[in-house]
Amino acid sequence: QKEVEQDPGPLSVPEGAIVSLNCTYSNSAFQYFMWYRQYSRKGPELLMYTYSSGNKEDGRFTAQVDKSSKYISLFIRDSQPSDSATYLCAMSRSRLTFGEGTQLTVNP
Amino acid sequence: GAVVSQHPSWVICKSGTSVKIECRSLDFQATTMFWYRQFPKQSLMLMATSNEGSKATYEQGVEKDKFLINHASLTLSTLTVTSAHPEDSSFYICSAMLRLAGDIDTQYFGPGTRLTVL
Repeated sequence: QKEVEQDPGPLSVPEGAIVSLNCTYSNSAFQYFMWYRQYSRKGPELLMYTYSSGNKEDGRFTAQVDKSSKYISLFIRDSQPSDSATYLCAMSRSRLTFGEGTQLTVNP
Repeated sequence: GAVVSQHPSWVICKSGTSVKIECRSLDFQATTMFWYRQFPKQSLMLMATSNEGSKATYEQGVEKDKFLINHASLTLSTLTVTSAHPEDSSFYICSAMLRLAGDIDTQYFGPGTRLTVL
């Protein structure tokens, strides 16, 4: 079993939709949780990070962590075509463990 | 802040030659850098952890004699693919570790280097 599970998609939504991206994990030792965005042929870009259960908001993005369920989410409100990318969750205790990434397409 | 650069961004070489890829942290010092490779439509695969002033730690299945890593300073790590073969063609991405507020260690990634071996 993988330590971090993430549905690879692809996920296709219309512009303006609310997008929900999710990851589950099995290692309760993970302390820090991050979301990266990777455009095609580019390196991943850190979007958000958190270390506690609950919600963290940054503009149109909200990261949610539920440590009791070992479940994290990234919500994108008012999605834009420029949000089309692969989103990777990552978790850390001493080093980062990445999910497979979810490929998102926002259609105009 | 927290910018990581890679050079070159792409390289084409003949089979049997060696290729060096540089990874630099531009506005912070990184005692630890990481090298990943990524095949199309797949996730990042960690190859090795590079620590400044010491030997790199390689992941299982990664040939240390083929993928030479040097981390000679707090802002520069290099990956040399020796005697490259077509199966080494991939997207190589480095990252540099940075401690954020709250003692969170995260990684900032370079833009990647696309290697094509003919």
